[in-house]
Formats: sequence, C-alpha cells, structure tokens
Amino acid sequence: QVQLQESGPGLVKPSQTLSLTCTVSGGSISSGSYYWSWIRQPAGKGLEWIGRIYTSGSTNYNPSLMSRVTILADPSKNQFSLELNSVTAADTAVYYCARDTWELLLAFDIWGQGTMVTVSS
Amino acid sequence: QSVLTQPPSVSGAPGQRVTISCTGSSSNIGAGYDVHWYQQLPGTAPKLLIYGNNNRPSGVPNRFSGSKSGTSASLAITGLQAEDEADYYCQSYDSSLRLFGGGTKLTVL
Repeated sequence: QVQLQESGPGLVKPSQTLSLTCTVSGGSISSGSYYWSWIRQPAGKGLEWIGRIYTSGSTNYNPSLMSRVTILADPSKNQFSLELNSVTAADTAVYYCARDTWELLLAFDIWGQGTMVTVSS
Repeated sequence: QSVLTQPPSVSGAPGQRVTISCTGSSSNIGAGYDVHWYQQLPGTAPKLLIYGNNNRPSGVPNRFSGSKSGTSASLAITGLQAEDEADYYCQSYDSSLRLFGGGTKLTVL
C-alpha cells in the first residue's frame, strides 16, 4: 500500500524559502503513470493545487504561484520536494503531497497526512 | 474566490438525502473535464470519494454518487449518517491546472 509522508520546517520567516519533502513508501516514485502533486490549505479555507511532477520529471505549476515554485523529484530516495520562495504570511497553510493516476482518471487517490507551515518572524 | 462554485453549507437529518453542487464554466467542467469529489473529516487529509464524475473507489459506500451535466456536477448522499458530517470538495481541470471548489460543509442535524 503506497503511503506519502510530508516533512520539513514548521516555521519559515517572511521572504525566505519554504522547503518540504514528500517521502513515498510502498511503491516507486519512478514507476507507473503517476503524477506527484503538492496541495495546500490555509486554516479554515479550501484546497489550492500548487503543482505536480510526472514520473518523467516534467512539471506543471499553478500559474498563480509559478514564479515562486519549484518541484523536484529524487528517485534515489523515492522522494519529491517543494520549494516556495519569497514567502509571506499568505503562504501559511497545511501542505499536502498527493498522487494522481490515470488509473483513476487523474483523481488524487493517495494523500499524505499534511504538514503545517507557518510563515512568521 | 474559487473557479468552481460550491454552496458553503448544506444540512440534512439522518436517513435523508442531500446533494452538493459544483458549478464551473466552459473552460473546465463544460469543456469535458472529469469531476472528482473528496471528503475531508475534521483534522484529516481529504479522501477520494468519487472519481471520473460517477465512479466510486473501492471501499466507498454506494450511498455516495456523482453526476455531471454541462458546466456543473453534483454529489448525492443518501441515507445520511452522523459520520458523513465533513467538508466536501469538488475538483476538475482547466487544461493542466487542477481546480478545487471552495468546499461545502455538511451538517447532519
């Protein structure tokens, strides 16, 4: 059973870079027709898709965040990562990593438990 | 303001049927993109409830069903139970951009 686990600092200072890692267990990040995404949710608000990386390494980003986001994969560690630079308080949220697959018509079928990131000095 | 519009809240008594709408436009749902639905219990990650407009993943009760028509989609829950109280989100696409609805809080009276 594939599982995802986010990790990274829970507190980031304004203007700095938010860096998170998602570790995939129970399956290889490089196999199958899977996309690996980052999604965030500010407290009490809805979900916002940040971007994704494919098993080939190609990426897509939300245009609203594209100028500040980088998603990378490290197949040797079975991980993918998120970097969001020049953060502000508006980037405070629970950050989830998730998988979507053509097998389920690109629905997000597996989610990490989420990690809270606060942007504050 | 989400591109996909959902009612902020719906409610129903145990055993009743409720529906949650998700309204998009000709660039997303109306363009033929699939709609998926997620259930988020308090303090937990979202869980896939319906994929591809009207398909249930293994383990999801058949009390949950989805439909899509034109630029809108709906989630229906029959035989409402206390454990159905949660936030529900629709999700679709605009080209490669993944879009979520603003979410609907379901209260079981």
